[in-house]
Amino acid sequence: DIVMTQTPLSLSVTPGQSASISCKSSQSLLHSDGTTYLYWFLQRAGQSPQLLIYEISKRFSGVPDRFTGSGSGTDFTLKISRVGAEDVGVYYCLQSIQPPFTFGPGTKVDLK
Amino acid sequence: EVQLVDSGGDLVQPGESLRLSCTASGFTVSNNSMAWVRQAPGKGLECISVMYSGGTTSYGDSVKGRFTISRDTFKNTLYLQMNSLRTEDTAVYYCVRTWGYWGQGNLVTVSA
Repeated sequence: DIVMTQTPLSLSVTPGQSASISCKSSQSLLHSDGTTYLYWFLQRAGQSPQLLIYEISKRFSGVPDRFTGSGSGTDFTLKISRVGAEDVGVYYCLQSIQPPFTFGPGTKVDLK
Repeated sequence: EVQLVDSGGDLVQPGESLRLSCTASGFTVSNNSMAWVRQAPGKGLECISVMYSGGTTSYGDSVKGRFTISRDTFKNTLYLQMNSLRTEDTAVYYCVRTWGYWGQGNLVTVSA
């Protein structure tokens, strides 16, 4: 199985500042079709997860441009600019190149 | 508008069976890849089963041989048949249209 790791596991951010979360996979997520199957989700307390970014850097419908995904192969980053109260929650990365599809352990983001 | 409504969660005893349903609207289940993702209390996300539009299925090792994913084209509904339930299957189960649309989640509690 592909193992997904995230750092840090916890992040406290001053409102208005930026935050970055790293996600690494144990194998390349680049498929022979040219697509890299790496996704980012936010789960707010008591809610279902919501998709933020798909295929490394594409923002899902309605996701503000404060969220930016980058990376390639096995190393990926989610950057959140101008962090606000609505960004508090747990962020997960996911690989879907090879079943069983696996999530990272999650990064908990709160405000200072 | 895409909607997924999860139902069927319950309190059951170890060894018993349960079927979860996910009724979709706004799209056709059989034309999309669908998944079941679960989250144990206080834990992260685990993708336990996927069904592709062509009908191919896959399962995580933790549920293989005990759980079965299926769909009903006429009812536009996804199912998860769960047999031989264990206490460690206690979780909120989410139906997902991979990966942008999530149901509200259904709590399954397995306890004596």
